[in-house]
Amino acid sequence: DVKVTQSSRYLVKRTGEKVFLECVQDMDHENMFWYRQDPGLGLRLIYFSYDVKMKEKGDIPEGYSVSREKKERFSLILESASTNQTSMYLCASLRAQVNEQFFGPGTRLTVL
Amino acid sequence: QKEVEQNSGPLSVPEGAIASLNCTYSDRGSQSFFWYRQYSGKSPELIMSIYSNGDKEDGRFTAQLNKASQYVSLLIRDSQPSDSATYLCAVNDRGSTLGRLYFGRGTQLTVWP
Repeated sequence: DVKVTQSSRYLVKRTGEKVFLECVQDMDHENMFWYRQDPGLGLRLIYFSYDVKMKEKGDIPEGYSVSREKKERFSLILESASTNQTSMYLCASLRAQVNEQFFGPGTRLTVL
Repeated sequence: QKEVEQNSGPLSVPEGAIASLNCTYSDRGSQSFFWYRQYSGKSPELIMSIYSNGDKEDGRFTAQLNKASQYVSLLIRDSQPSDSATYLCAVNDRGSTLGRLYFGRGTQLTVWP
């Protein structure tokens, strides 16, 4: 079974803080994704990555950056957290042969 | 931006009934189609994948795909209260080499006893 883990289930940060959200997968998948999910807006793609070689912006990359120094770990960075970044953050990993994405449990981030 | 549209619901069915969830998509070249189930406060869980026209059955779930009509559906037979969740339709981006999916906003299903 694919296992995707995220570093925290709940996180509370203050405006202006630098925030790191970590995601790890144990299936040697090349492709990983970061989404945020908000009521009424659905899942929105922030960034995605192919191995350590390539990172690509999704639909809402502003205010975020990513790091992928090892294939199994994909980190989302909020450079200076703002209240409008309060959301559920979901990481996913791709089984490329069948194009299936598997999600981690999510991190509910609150920015005060 | 590719579009994936789902009937917004909420959809409410009695226990034992068939629940029918529908999805249309805009990218005619899409090849991979998925249904995810998401319980409140949890992350999406993949429940069905379908790649060719026709029906695909897995237990009480049947996915139906019609590429000509750009339509994919999910039928849940003998619905149970435990099926109450939001169901997300996802479609691959043919133009992406990185496995990007486009998601619909989901249909909330309630199965009442």
